[in-house]
Amino acid sequence: KAGVTQTPRYLIKTRGQQVTLSCSPISGHRSVSWYQQTPGQGLQFLFEYFSETQRNKGNFPGRFSGRQFSNSRSEMNVSTLELGDSALYLCASSWDRQGGNTEAFFGQGTRLTVV
Amino acid sequence: EDQVTQSPEALRLQEGESSSLNCSYTVSGLRGLFWYRQDPGKGPEFLFTLYSAGEEKEKERLKATLTKKESFLHITAPKPEDSATYLCAVQDRGYQKVTFGTGTKLQVIP
Repeated sequence: KAGVTQTPRYLIKTRGQQVTLSCSPISGHRSVSWYQQTPGQGLQFLFEYFSETQRNKGNFPGRFSGRQFSNSRSEMNVSTLELGDSALYLCASSWDRQGGNTEAFFGQGTRLTVV
Repeated sequence: EDQVTQSPEALRLQEGESSSLNCSYTVSGLRGLFWYRQDPGKGPEFLFTLYSAGEEKEKERLKATLTKKESFLHITAPKPEDSATYLCAVQDRGYQKVTFGTGTKLQVIP
């Protein structure tokens, strides 16, 4: 059974640019969540999508956005990149059961460096 | 707001030296508490889900327990391959958002 796939694995961007990250969840999983991980802050929740709708959102500025497609694949976009956006971005998928998440399974992450 | 505090931040053990990691949490209504293991440069790997106080789960040298205020991850006779950062997370019943702690970095020395 294939796991969660994130692409690309590594990315270097310049301040002011925008970036799009992709996540393919485990087959059958309908919920996809995105997290930002930095050494100082740990794992910070960005947002969660379920059936193409954003269900939960963390405390990040509007420059961070996402979407989910009908096949449950998800993308997140960061516009006007800042140096502080450098982080490991993690995607997690779960099989949503009766309105509540079960445990989530993570991808390997995308390492974004903003220069 | 949900909060998760893990202690210690770092732990260094000799191979075979058993110990426990702590996860204290505050949540309006607990739906589930999760333990993950994370190796450097990789995504977290799921270990356990605990749903109610008194529940225990085991996997190889790891055992997770849950009370109404905290969870413990007991590591029995650890090996160097157990070295990793262990993350605890809680999901609240209402908002269903998942909140992570900052982790305990475990190093097991041969």
